[in-house]
Amino acid sequence: GQQLNQSPQSMFIQEGEDVSMNCTSSSIFNTWLWYKQDPGEGPVLLIALYKAGELTSNGRLTAQFGITRKDSFLNISASIPSDVGIYFCAGQTGNQFYFGTGTSLTVIP
Amino acid sequence: DADVTQTPRNRITKTGKRIMLECSQTKGHDRMYWYRQDPGLGLRLIYYSFDVKDINKGEISDGYSVSRQAQAKFSLSLESAIPNQTALYFCATSDGPSIWGYTFGSGTRLTVV
Repeated sequence: GQQLNQSPQSMFIQEGEDVSMNCTSSSIFNTWLWYKQDPGEGPVLLIALYKAGELTSNGRLTAQFGITRKDSFLNISASIPSDVGIYFCAGQTGNQFYFGTGTSLTVIP
Repeated sequence: DADVTQTPRNRITKTGKRIMLECSQTKGHDRMYWYRQDPGLGLRLIYYSFDVKDINKGEISDGYSVSRQAQAKFSLSLESAIPNQTALYFCATSDGPSIWGYTFGSGTRLTVV
């Protein structure tokens, strides 16, 4: 299957700090998505990106679709305790989405 | 009510037992998927279905089977459970070319002892 490398694997940050995580692939994707998974729940879509170079914001979240179409990053500004969870990137090619391995975020109040 | 409902939420079963995980959706989506989540490995696709008569193997289908009983229902079966099938299982749905990605259920935590 497709390999998406997501980094970092985990992050421990102080409340109020900014967060940055990224996802890279050896393959080109047509769509990049970022999901957040709260403990005990399924992933929920945060941001969708459809064009190379696209920069999209959703509140304190900003994500970009890399120019090469092989990478994407997600930034969270001014983190708060409810940002805790696992963040997944997903890339679409053909009819399927492929998921990264996740970044576990812990926010220390 | 949730858009995508998985039952049971938690299950402990013995090695060798047959077990079925069920998924139902009210989204009206044609496409349904079963994923498995393991720590450090992300989400891996087991099976997917684009309509009632369509079943496709995903990345890790060995040891699993599925049934698409209706547009709204997609079941995953473990014919003879083994301990390395202990994982968190997610059902997901999408609409057509899925430009908005998937809607996930809340997951079923399966433990095989």
